[in-house]
Amino acid sequence: DAKTTQPPSMDCAEGRAANLPCNHSTISGNEYVYWYRQIHSQGPQYIIHGLKNNETNEMASLIITEDRKSSTLILPHATLRDTAVYYCIVSDLNTDKLIFGTGTRLQVFP
Amino acid sequence: EAGVVQSPRYKIIEKKQPVAFWCNPISGHNTLYWYRQNLGQGPELLIRYENEEAVDDSQLPKDRFSAERLKGVDSTLKIQPAELGDSAVYLCASSLEWSEAFFGQGTRLTVV
Repeated sequence: DAKTTQPPSMDCAEGRAANLPCNHSTISGNEYVYWYRQIHSQGPQYIIHGLKNNETNEMASLIITEDRKSSTLILPHATLRDTAVYYCIVSDLNTDKLIFGTGTRLQVFP
Repeated sequence: EAGVVQSPRYKIIEKKQPVAFWCNPISGHNTLYWYRQNLGQGPELLIRYENEEAVDDSQLPKDRFSAERLKGVDSTLKIQPAELGDSAVYLCASSLEWSEAFFGQGTRLTVV
């Protein structure tokens, strides 16, 4: 079973920041937080991952709380092409196992 | 560089018939995954390979599903015989050890 809880859907206006929350209260010390997204009719796409420090790349920022029980994926300037299902996953790098939940369906509107 | 390549893209078969899916991972990626995704659900892991060894096949329905990864490169997933409930998208992914996974576009299977 997935170890994360996400809201089923969210809306965001184009050009605004999209903040997608994820709860992972049972995360263990050696588990990373991964974010993937899946645009309609495509395979999932890696976005970002982190252990305990905040991370930023060209796609997004990942904010992990100090107790590591929750995190937020931030898309700083959402575009229509960011409309997708976003999956938050916790995974132990030693097992290389990605267990997907049902994700958050983000709808970006004009 | 080419990504993960899967074929066919779509497949329609009658129930009780066999079907096979093919996956060519990214060159050099030693880990290969097969996932199944039902409509409205997240992908579900079926099997994971490290090189040619299946290291996690606990979710693979072994009565009708089989997989192989010869020479630790390409992989084939087979269903024989197919059932109506097998209709889904079958996704292949690959990764370097301890790195993010890259997914193919999937094969959409419809069993009628």
